Amino acid sequence: ETGVTQTPRHLVMGMTNKKSLKCEQHLGHNAMYWYKQSAKKPLELMFVYNFKEQTENNSVPSRFSPECPNSSHLFLHLHTLQPEDSALYLCASSQDGGGQPYEQYFGPGTRLTVT
Amino acid sequence: TQLLEQSPQFLSIQEGENLTVYCNSSSVFSSLQWYRQEPGEGPVLLVTVVTGGEVKKLKRLTFQFGDARKDSSLHITAAQPGDTGLYLCAGAEDNFNKFYFGSGTKLNVKP
Repeated sequence: ETGVTQTPRHLVMGMTNKKSLKCEQHLGHNAMYWYKQSAKKPLELMFVYNFKEQTENNSVPSRFSPECPNSSHLFLHLHTLQPEDSALYLCASSQDGGGQPYEQYFGPGTRLTVT
Repeated sequence: TQLLEQSPQFLSIQEGENLTVYCNSSSVFSSLQWYRQEPGEGPVLLVTVVTGGEVKKLKRLTFQFGDARKDSSLHITAAQPGDTGLYLCAGAEDNFNKFYFGSGTKLNVKP
């Protein structure tokens, strides 16, 4: 595998379910991100992890719970979601620092539908 | 709050035409990225511009960063159907890996 991978690619879940999204980056980066992309809205940053530490939580409801066990893996745990949470969830990674411009590399996304 | 505005929001043109997409902000960015996203997929990084006034070319695509590092443009020459997609710009703050995305320009190039 190369780049950033995400599983599953598609997920349909009921409002009372618990599920998790997984992201893995094979680029040796030290920062990882979760974004939400809804129709007709700009990409919304949800969480940022630097060196496995959460550095940004962009006022995300507690029904979304991120986990970053190491710098290569990122999870998004979902529980009691609402229909308006249906969206494309994108994971990205970047290399933090070193004097280079920040560049994000995205995974293919998980298309989530909440019924 | 940083805000990046892209224009136009939608663009439908014939194959062979030229086009320009704009990305504007009142804020200064340390770097700016352009991405192309196809339906159901994640954005793919096209280019990063860092220096005010910088121009970068990627085949038929020309990217320019404004002198004040607040705005950018993407020019496509002789557009092809393969250029169809959502074009996104994203600005990064100095010393922070936090990105602000524009709302995107949806381009459709008809054969």
